[in-house]
Amino acid sequence: AQTVTQSQPEMSVQEAETVTLSCTYDTSESDYYLFWYKQPPSRQMILVIRQEAYKQQNATENRFSVNFQKAAKSFSLKISDSQLGDAAMYFCACRRGGSNYKLTFGKGTLLTVNP
Amino acid sequence: GAGVSQSPSNKVTEKGKDVELRCDPISGHTALYWYRQSLGQGLEFLIYFQGNSAPDKSGLPSDRFSAERTGGSVSTLTIQRTQQEDSAVYLCACFSGRGDEQFFGPGTRLTVL
Repeated sequence: AQTVTQSQPEMSVQEAETVTLSCTYDTSESDYYLFWYKQPPSRQMILVIRQEAYKQQNATENRFSVNFQKAAKSFSLKISDSQLGDAAMYFCACRRGGSNYKLTFGKGTLLTVNP
Repeated sequence: GAGVSQSPSNKVTEKGKDVELRCDPISGHTALYWYRQSLGQGLEFLIYFQGNSAPDKSGLPSDRFSAERTGGSVSTLTIQRTQQEDSAVYLCACFSGRGDEQFFGPGTRLTVL
């Protein structure tokens, strides 16, 4: 079984500043994948970034990057140059390798961006 | 359509009634997932379909919950004798088998009075 923990129920950031959202996970699998999803008020889940556990290099997608610490089982998301449109609920998720791609999610962090 | 659609968008029902929630995945996406998002919680896996078969039903919380998929496309999640604790947003996601991204629908918000 896998568990994902997000210890920050809410975070806020000033527009144009940088914010880091925390996530820790636990899994007994050696082959697994980690994700950050964004959920705006529309409820539509949007994939922000993904990381294969076997890759040491941290994933980056434009203003979004992760700090993947495998030994510590930590997977934080850094948002640089925050924009008003980044305001949303952010979920960290994990799935194991194999053909079943079901995701295990954390409880989420609500990000507010202040103008 | 271009994306995943779910209907109804919102459903209010009385305790004890049955409800059906529908998911229309992206055409050609063979894998389909149902998740439940209760207030203040993350998404909780319910069931996984590969084609019309459900190899993983481990997340269904009770025998009041069932789901089916027909033609490798539309899926219906049925909740019988609804209880107040069933109130949640029910999200559907599909996956093409290529890459790693699941595409989510907008969800159905179910309220059981």
